[in-house]
Amino acid sequence: AQSVTQPDIHITVSEGASLELRCNYSYGATPYLFWYVQSPGQGLQLLLKYFSGDTLVQGIKGFEAEFKRSQSSFNLRKPSVHWSDAAEYFCAVGASGNKLVFGAGTILRVKS
Amino acid sequence: SAVISQKPSRDICQRGTSLTIQCQVDSQVTMMFWYRQQPGQSLTLIATANQGSEATYESGFVIDKFPISRPNLTFSTLTVSNMSPEDSSIYLCSVDLAGGGNEQFFGPGTRLTVL
Repeated sequence: AQSVTQPDIHITVSEGASLELRCNYSYGATPYLFWYVQSPGQGLQLLLKYFSGDTLVQGIKGFEAEFKRSQSSFNLRKPSVHWSDAAEYFCAVGASGNKLVFGAGTILRVKS
Repeated sequence: SAVISQKPSRDICQRGTSLTIQCQVDSQVTMMFWYRQQPGQSLTLIATANQGSEATYESGFVIDKFPISRPNLTFSTLTVSNMSPEDSSIYLCSVDLAGGGNEQFFGPGTRLTVL
């Protein structure tokens, strides 16, 4: 069965610093991979997705993610974090029946 | 993308009662999904709701507790029945616009507190 692991429950970075959020997945075939962001009291917003092709995908708000099949990873990165990026980030993998399986989430705190 | 609205945005309910949550989409979609997000937890899929067929429930969720309606291609409801404090969660609906590839867009959620 598909599964997603986000090993970091909380991450704190300074404003302007770079960010990398880790995501590892378990899936037998080529996965569909997603990163979503949830701000306090909000629904989920899609940041970016990987279906096929170029393994480095660009998303909204200056985020990017790199698919590494050999490591079963899809880490999210941003070169310079802004205070408004403080939120919870969820990695997800597509499963049969067009479903999504989510990781536990990583809470990002940004300190000024 | 799609504009998805949910009603109510939040509610406080007494145990033993039921609450119906509405999800409205601004375009016709085949697949709609209902998720539960318990406090401090990730999202768990409750069921998949396709128009014209019975909802498909995930393991651990049953129709008697979470009946779902899907009367047309833009609307769905989820009822949380005979509520207990353990049902306190955020309930989110989502839609799959592309009909494939699993890309989903989410509504703002309904924050339910059961006393």
